[in-house]
Amino acid sequence: DSGVTQTPKHLITATGQRVTLRCSPRSGDLSVYWYQQSLDQGLQFLIQYYNGEERAKGNILERFSAQQFPDLHSELNLSSLELGDSALYFCASSPEVAVRGTEAFFGQGTRLTVV
Amino acid sequence: GNSVTQMEGPVTLSEEAFLTINCTYTATGYPSLFWYVQYPGEGLQLLLKATKADDKGSNKGFEATYRKETTSFHLEKGSVQVSDSAVYFCALIGSFGNEKLTFGTGTRLTIIP
Repeated sequence: DSGVTQTPKHLITATGQRVTLRCSPRSGDLSVYWYQQSLDQGLQFLIQYYNGEERAKGNILERFSAQQFPDLHSELNLSSLELGDSALYFCASSPEVAVRGTEAFFGQGTRLTVV
Repeated sequence: GNSVTQMEGPVTLSEEAFLTINCTYTATGYPSLFWYVQYPGEGLQLLLKATKADDKGSNKGFEATYRKETTSFHLEKGSVQVSDSAVYFCALIGSFGNEKLTFGTGTRLTIIP
């Protein structure tokens, strides 16, 4: 158990809909990352938050947004869903932004299926 | 920007074979390097790491040495087991502030008895 909790584990929804994925980082971790893992594109970095503020942005679509709340949990919002958004979405947390050797701890992921 | 290039998969080996998964990187300064493993149906977990040149990370019989001269961090294991079947990701985090963890594309390893 990594200490990172993601809910829900599975989500099936229709095209055009909106969903929210939730992540609770390890106790004390200030940094949260979101990744998308699909079969054809590997592990894609979406966005990173540190102590409530956006720190880095990757290949995140405009239809997607995220935030980190004062209690440090994070939510990833996906809207106007398309079939191609079906993927495994991972959240990871780490204590700091970029201290040498800092590893990230991953949750079990949310499997999103858009039908 | 930073990038990681990883050996294409999938890789299929017989039990007790020697394993090498190649990983090279591009980054300024002195990044920290990682290997993560993803077992079927699970999230990623850290396998080993190295934070400076010539460091060797090791865990569960796997090893990787941080080679700055060749910008490489190849993963090796002398004798693989069926339980090592998983997807392996090479990753780095840069040496400057405000950096994200950058992953390679992953290598799927299957060990057959």
